[in-house]
Amino acid sequence: DTEVTQTPKHLVMGMTNKKSLKCEQHMGHRAMYWYKQKAKKPPELMFVYSYEKLSINESVPSRFSPECPNSSLLNLHLHALQPEDSALYLCASSQGRYQPQHFGDGTRLSIL
Amino acid sequence: DAKTTQPTSMDCAEGRAANLPCNHSTISGNEYVYWYRQIHSQGPQYIIHGLKNNETNEMASLIITEDRKSSTLILPHATLRDTAVYYCIVTETSGSRLTFGEGTQLTVNP
Repeated sequence: DTEVTQTPKHLVMGMTNKKSLKCEQHMGHRAMYWYKQKAKKPPELMFVYSYEKLSINESVPSRFSPECPNSSLLNLHLHALQPEDSALYLCASSQGRYQPQHFGDGTRLSIL
Repeated sequence: DAKTTQPTSMDCAEGRAANLPCNHSTISGNEYVYWYRQIHSQGPQYIIHGLKNNETNEMASLIITEDRKSSTLILPHATLRDTAVYYCIVTETSGSRLTFGEGTQLTVNP
């Protein structure tokens, strides 16, 4: 069982919808991450939060909007997505820099 | 960021040791080598990491060459459950960013 919980596990949405992905960890980690993984490809980093502040944005389109309401929770707000945004979205957390990242099992997102 | 090179795929017999190589010839002095694996339909799982010295934990051993230009992950007694994509990653200097390469698909055969 993973210690990083992501909900929902699956999400199907239209291009005009607004939805949110949720990630939760209770390990006291102070860094949290969003990754995107296309089929048969490695994960790609999207965002890094450190102490609830956004520290890295890998030039992600503005239709993806991250939010870190507290040290245990990370959200990814989705709006006006494109079919090519269909992917597995992974959340991870770590104690800090150079510490191992713990991943959730992801949300599989399909854009119609 | 230092790049890594791994074989695309490897096979291993169940119960035997699996030795997965990784080249990282452009690694700099303060960059760590991390290994993760991803079993189908799951998130990546941390295995082990090291800077200069060899490391061992309950899952695996990590052997880093003296010049740090390559490393080998050793699974001492592979099981069918070790079938996964194994990623060798060199962290960039801030330590916050993991850049995954294509990894090695390890298949453990009965």
